[in-house]
Amino acid sequence: QKEVEQNSGPLSVPEGAIASLNCTYSDRGSQSFFWYRQYSGKSPELIMFIYSNGDKEDGRFTAQLNKASQYVSLLIRDSQPSDSATYLCAVGADSWGKLQFGAGTQVVVTP
Amino acid sequence: SAVISQKPSRDICQRGTSLTIQCQVDSQVTMMFWYRQQPGQSLTLIATANQGSEATYESGFVIDKFPISRPNLTFSTLTVSNMSPEDSSIYLCSVEEVAREAFFGQGTRLTVV
Repeated sequence: QKEVEQNSGPLSVPEGAIASLNCTYSDRGSQSFFWYRQYSGKSPELIMFIYSNGDKEDGRFTAQLNKASQYVSLLIRDSQPSDSATYLCAVGADSWGKLQFGAGTQVVVTP
Repeated sequence: SAVISQKPSRDICQRGTSLTIQCQVDSQVTMMFWYRQQPGQSLTLIATANQGSEATYESGFVIDKFPISRPNLTFSTLTVSNMSPEDSSIYLCSVEEVAREAFFGQGTRLTVV
């Protein structure tokens, strides 16, 4: 059974601080890794993807991938109240791009 | 990224009836996927909609319950058949872009009463 694990939270973060979200996956054949943001009642929105080991930065977001440890993380710098949402980690293993999702981490940014 | 239009956006249905959800994409895409998000849960892949052939269903999902059509490279439908309250979920259509990123339609919130 392929699994993607995330802490459910809620993760409470003061405004302006760094939010750190973690995700582990069980399938060593996984090739693509995604972070989606989902506001309550809305569909998931892609915010980051990463394919290679190391860090990838996009604005206030940094994704980190360590395939040896089967670990992917997302850092949100200078957290804003608008970052309050559920963040879904998704992992793709085959060429069709089918994704397996974690349960999501709820982030609450407090003013 | 592709623009994905999904309808209806929400519906309330009687148990035992069926609902067909439509997904329209503004460009031709090879792969289309249907996901379900039950209340408080994450997304679960129902099936991959293949153009010109039968859909490929994931474990736990069957064609009789979730028939899927894919008549061309820009359109797909998912039908939720013989509905029960357990089918109350958000149903999401997604497409795979060139770099294998999956983008989602706005979803269909289904309530079965």
